[in-house]
Order: sequence, then structure tokens, then C-alpha cells
Amino acid sequence: NFVLTQPHSVSESPGKTVTISCTRSSGSIASNYVQWYQQRPGNSPTTVIYENDQRPSGVPDRFSGSIDSSSNSASLTISGLRTEDEADYYCQSYDSSNQVFGEGTKLTVL
Amino acid sequence: QMQLVESGGGVVQPGGSLRLSCEASGFILTTCGMHWVRQAPGKGLEWVAFIRYDGSNQYYGESMKGRFTISRDKSNNTLYLQMNSLRAEDTAVYYCARDPYYYDSSATPGNWFDPWGQGTLVTVSS
Repeated sequence: NFVLTQPHSVSESPGKTVTISCTRSSGSIASNYVQWYQQRPGNSPTTVIYENDQRPSGVPDRFSGSIDSSSNSASLTISGLRTEDEADYYCQSYDSSNQVFGEGTKLTVL
Repeated sequence: QMQLVESGGGVVQPGGSLRLSCEASGFILTTCGMHWVRQAPGKGLEWVAFIRYDGSNQYYGESMKGRFTISRDKSNNTLYLQMNSLRAEDTAVYYCARDPYYYDSSATPGNWFDPWGQGTLVTVSS
């Protein structure tokens, strides 16, 4: 099994840009798609990025995703931060026998 | 509009059993795989189980193997999770979620999760 490692927390000011990383411990980050989920307090998770860099309809283009094989990591970038972006963000990927979530990153917009 | 509604959570003693249900609407369960995911209080997401669209394969998270069983009933478009030998560490909100790929026959425990239900709380305590 592999592990996805995320920073525990990040904070940034409204209007700024923040990037959350997600590093895969073993196996290539490019071998299976990476997704990102947003979870606001008291709510169920919702998808903000799927298949590494695709945005579901309804998700603003301020959200973008990418992968970097050299660092074996994925990134979620949120530009033009708004207070409503404050939430927990989880990356997720899989292999032949397991689904794996990162531990989650708490984004504070202050 | 796709919707998932979980039910069946509650308080159960250690060693006990519970069956969770997830009623799907807006799509047919037999067209895509389905997952259960849990979240312990104040903690992150943990994948629990997956059933393939045709019901031919089931996958489980390591700590769930041998204790949990995922199944579905086509007649009422409902997903289930039978949980036996429950432990205190199984206390969590349990979510069901659809795997968005239709008729996916790949040899993986699904792809990703969308949409999610609202969750049902399971508390294992004496």
C-alpha cells in the first residue's frame, strides 16, 4: 500500500493563491488518477478536481489540479481565495487493491 | 439529479452488528460501482469497501476484511453495508458514494467518489 501525504494546514489571505501538495510514498503518481475533495464543516465531501486536472461542472476555474512526476506529487491550486473556500481538502488515488485518501489539509482564509 | 441517502446508523455495543443502507435515486445502481467511506470524529476520510457495477467483485479496506460485507439490492436500488464484530474504532460517520465510471470492468477497487450521501453516524460503545 502507498500513503498520500498532505500538509496538515495552510492559511492565506483573501484574493491570494494557495497550493496544497499531495505526495505519493511509493509507486508513480502518474499510474492512477488523483482527485481532490472539499469538505466544509458539517458537510459531506464534494469533488473539486478529478482525473488529475479536470473540474466538475459548477466548480469555479479558480480551482486547478496538476501532477508532477519528478516529485511524485499532485497539487491543488486555488487562486483568488474567498472566505467560502475555507474547508478541509483531501487528495485521493488508488492502486490495484486499495483506495487511498490523504490525511487532509485544513485551509484557513484569513 | 443523483442522490444518495444513508440510514441505519446508531449506537451498538462492542462485538455487535449493524446494517447500513444507502438508497440511490436519479441513477441505477447496476450501471456503476459503489463505495462506502467512513470518517471518525474529527479525523480524515477512510475508504471502507467497493462493489463493482455488476456485483461480481468486492474490495475492502484492510481493517474491514472479514468483518464487513458490501452488497446491493437491484429491486430497490439500495446499497448495503453489513458490519459485524464491531469495535470502538469503527465509530464514525459512514458515507456511501457512487463511482462515476459506467460499466467499468477494470481490475481496481473503483476510481473516485461522486456524489456522496449525507452520511449516517455509527457509535460503538458499551
